[in-house]
Amino acid sequence: EVQLVESGGGVVQPGRSLRLSCAASGFIFDDNAMHWVRQAPGKGLEWVSGITWNSGRIAYADSVKGRFTISRDNAKNSLYLQMNSLRPEDTALYYCAKDMRPWFGELSRFDPWGQGTLVTVSS
Amino acid sequence: QSVLTQPPSVSAAPGQKVTISCSGSSSNIGNNYVSWYQQLPGTAPKLLIYENNKRPSGIPDRFSGSKSGTSATLGISGLQTGDEADYYCGTWDSSLSVFGFGGGTKLTVL
Repeated sequence: EVQLVESGGGVVQPGRSLRLSCAASGFIFDDNAMHWVRQAPGKGLEWVSGITWNSGRIAYADSVKGRFTISRDNAKNSLYLQMNSLRPEDTALYYCAKDMRPWFGELSRFDPWGQGTLVTVSS
Repeated sequence: QSVLTQPPSVSAAPGQKVTISCSGSSSNIGNNYVSWYQQLPGTAPKLLIYENNKRPSGIPDRFSGSKSGTSATLGISGLQTGDEADYYCGTWDSSLSVFGFGGGTKLTVL
């Protein structure tokens, strides 16, 4: 069974940093691109970042560009999101999601999704 | 501001059919494939439709997808109370180099 388990969320003050992790199992991790998607409380889905199977191509939403860094360790079947200079508007449930191909783009779709890890940015 | 535009809510009676629209532009829906996601209350999103009109295994054929030009539509027939959820469309935007979601549509089965 394909499984994605996020961790690393918590309460953090504005301007501080946090690192999220996503542990993958049940599939060949380096066969697929991976993504982070977030959902603010009571709001819709917002794509945050994507990374190809070999980290050769990375993309970010404008709202996090320059502050967040996505990475992966295929040997550890893990995806990461380093979040710096956090802002109150970054408060959200952060999901990791598996793409269906090694790269992302026109054919991207997300299946499955993890259960998410909650990040709260507040003083 | 979402890349794609969906109606905030739709409603219909059990057993009826409902459609949810998703409007975009030539840089996203017009030239890329659309996927649809169902988010039941308190749960993670789940893939319903991919590549405009394909269903993953396990998704009943009550759910259907279509695309025409820069718009896409999700159809749900034989509505059940268990279909009450938020539904999101999504696609890659080639100009912005981001994946865009619609703002979501809340389905109420009356």
